[in-house]
Amino acid sequence: AQTVTQSQPEMSVQEAETVTLSCTYDTSESDYYLFWYKQPPSRQMILVIRQEAYKQQNATENRFSVNFQKAAKSFSLKISDSQLGDAAMYFCVLIQRGAQKLVFGQGTRLTINP
Amino acid sequence: GAGVSQTPSNKVTEKGKYVELRCDPISGHTALYWYRQSLGQGPEFLIYFQGTGAADDSGLPNDRFFAVRPEGSVSTLKIQRTERGDSAVYLCASSLKSGLAGGRIYNEQFFGPGTRLTVL
Repeated sequence: AQTVTQSQPEMSVQEAETVTLSCTYDTSESDYYLFWYKQPPSRQMILVIRQEAYKQQNATENRFSVNFQKAAKSFSLKISDSQLGDAAMYFCVLIQRGAQKLVFGQGTRLTINP
Repeated sequence: GAGVSQTPSNKVTEKGKYVELRCDPISGHTALYWYRQSLGQGPEFLIYFQGTGAADDSGLPNDRFFAVRPEGSVSTLKIQRTERGDSAVYLCASSLKSGLAGGRIYNEQFFGPGTRLTVL
């Protein structure tokens, strides 16, 4: 069975600052994908960034980047130059290659202070 | 193009009643998924359709839950004899057909806004 753990229920950051959200996961598979999804109050789940486990290079999407540590099974999200629109629930998500089921963490609620 | 839509947006029902939740996937997406998100939790997988057939229903909690997708497009999640513990946001997602076994294609799951079900 796969599990995803987000140990930070809530985080807050000043606008324009940098924040890091933590995630650890467990899987017996060696090939999988990891994602960070954002869920604003509208409930719409939005894909922020993805990482393929076989790629050593950390993914980057504009102000969003990850620190993927495969041996430690750690996958953190760094948001640089935080903006008010970044306020949302953030979910760390795992899926095995070839599988269809996304496995979500419990989520981290991010607040941006103006 | 239009995204995944779900109706109703909110549903309030009484314990013991029957409810149906509808999902309209993105046009051309053959894969469809249902997830349940309880308050303060991450979504949990319920069922996955590839075309008209349920390819994996291992997440359905019990036999009160059932889902159909008769024409391979719209899907309906049906809950019989609702219980207060069924209260949650029910999310639907769709994607292009998954990549071939052995390939590295991952087809993104696009989510709808969900239906918030409240059982009184």
